[in-house]
Amino acid sequence: ELKVEQNPLFLSMQEGKNYTIYCNYSTTSDRLYWYRQDPGKSLESLFVLLSNGAVKQEGRLMASLDTKARLSTLHITAAVHDLSATYFCAVAGGTSYGKLTFGQGTILTVHP
Amino acid sequence: DADVTQTPRNRITKTGKRIMLECSQTKGHDRMYWYRQDPGLGLRLIYYSFDVKDINKGEISDGYSVSRQAQAKFSLSLESAIPNQTALYFCATSDSGSPRYEQYFGPGTRLTVT
Repeated sequence: ELKVEQNPLFLSMQEGKNYTIYCNYSTTSDRLYWYRQDPGKSLESLFVLLSNGAVKQEGRLMASLDTKARLSTLHITAAVHDLSATYFCAVAGGTSYGKLTFGQGTILTVHP
Repeated sequence: DADVTQTPRNRITKTGKRIMLECSQTKGHDRMYWYRQDPGLGLRLIYYSFDVKDINKGEISDGYSVSRQAQAKFSLSLESAIPNQTALYFCATSDSGSPRYEQYFGPGTRLTVT
């Protein structure tokens, strides 16, 4: 059974600081997704990582995937208040990559 | 217009009632999914459908049933609602023809069972 764990679950940051969210998963997969969710809203796709060593960047966020370590990271550079949200990683499993298993989510709050 | 829509957006119902949540999509995707979200637990898969004739149980299917009426429509039913089914429910779609296998989510339905 595929398990996905994120840490930390809660992250309070000051504006301008850097931090990393970690996503560990238990079985082999080479497809990992990061989503953002604002309070009361749906999930918005941030990154799709499709192979070992994949790195994607968008603005102040950068995601990477190490399939051998079964680890993905979401790095936040020079945080701003607008990044406050819940961030989920999700791993595709099964023979047809049809099913996603989600981490618990990381609630990020950026303070002035 | 939104590509994935869910109705209703909010629903309050009583214990023991039958309720149906509906999902429609205009993305032309063949795969559809139902998830529930509870605080601290992320999203958990209830049922998924890879095409109209293919329905599969997910991680937490007990107490739920689904119907895939057409490629674009996927409904979730709670046969006899109970309070611990109070949650935020999301429908999602994906395209088996895309190597990204990315899932796209609807706006969610907030269900409260009293």
